[in-house]
Amino acid sequence: QTVVTQEPSLTVSPGGTVTLTCASSTGAVTRDNYPNWFQQKPGQPPRPLIYSTSNKHSWTPARFSGFLLGGKAALTLSGVQPEDEAEYYCLLSYGDGQPWVFGGGTKLTVL
Amino acid sequence: EVQLVESGGGLVKPGGSLRLSCAVSGFTFSNAWMTWVRQAPGKGLEWVGRIKIKSDGGTIDYAAPVKGRFIISRDDSKNTLYLQMNSLKTEDTAVYYCTTTDYFDNWGQGTLVTVSS
Repeated sequence: QTVVTQEPSLTVSPGGTVTLTCASSTGAVTRDNYPNWFQQKPGQPPRPLIYSTSNKHSWTPARFSGFLLGGKAALTLSGVQPEDEAEYYCLLSYGDGQPWVFGGGTKLTVL
Repeated sequence: EVQLVESGGGLVKPGGSLRLSCAVSGFTFSNAWMTWVRQAPGKGLEWVGRIKIKSDGGTIDYAAPVKGRFIISRDDSKNTLYLQMNSLKTEDTAVYYCTTTDYFDNWGQGTLVTVSS
């Protein structure tokens, strides 16, 4: 069974920069995994931030950016705001006919 | 305005069945691949399954924990996605969301399914 691994928790100071990563048990994450990133706050549905590695939705703040880093998918937040405190999930595709898999999530604390 | 509204959740005993619906509006449902995602209380997101559009074969894929027990279907004439859940287990307790698959850019608010005796 494929496992997607994220940092369980990270802490960043307001105005700082933090990078979240997303690794696959099958090997290096590539663009063919179509990495997606979501933000979720308590009691709310997930809010999509990034699709296909680095593409932003129209509502995604400029301070969020997605890319590939060292065989992982990565999400960087630059100039972190207090409202960025949330759980962040990545989602990877493993090809047509295969299930997509979510990472376990990263709880980001802004402190 | 795009809207996805899930319904059909509730309390069911282990071994029971439940059918969830996801009514959509604001886009051409028949052209949209659709996905179900769930989230157990206090846990992370879990991909449940996806259905393609008819012109792409209408193929359905499932996550291993639900394969053989859950059935995803769609009624394009009613702009509605379904999730038939059979042989329910306590570990199926979760909020179930429907979402558009292309860019996962539209989500419903979810419906809670509780499996308990």
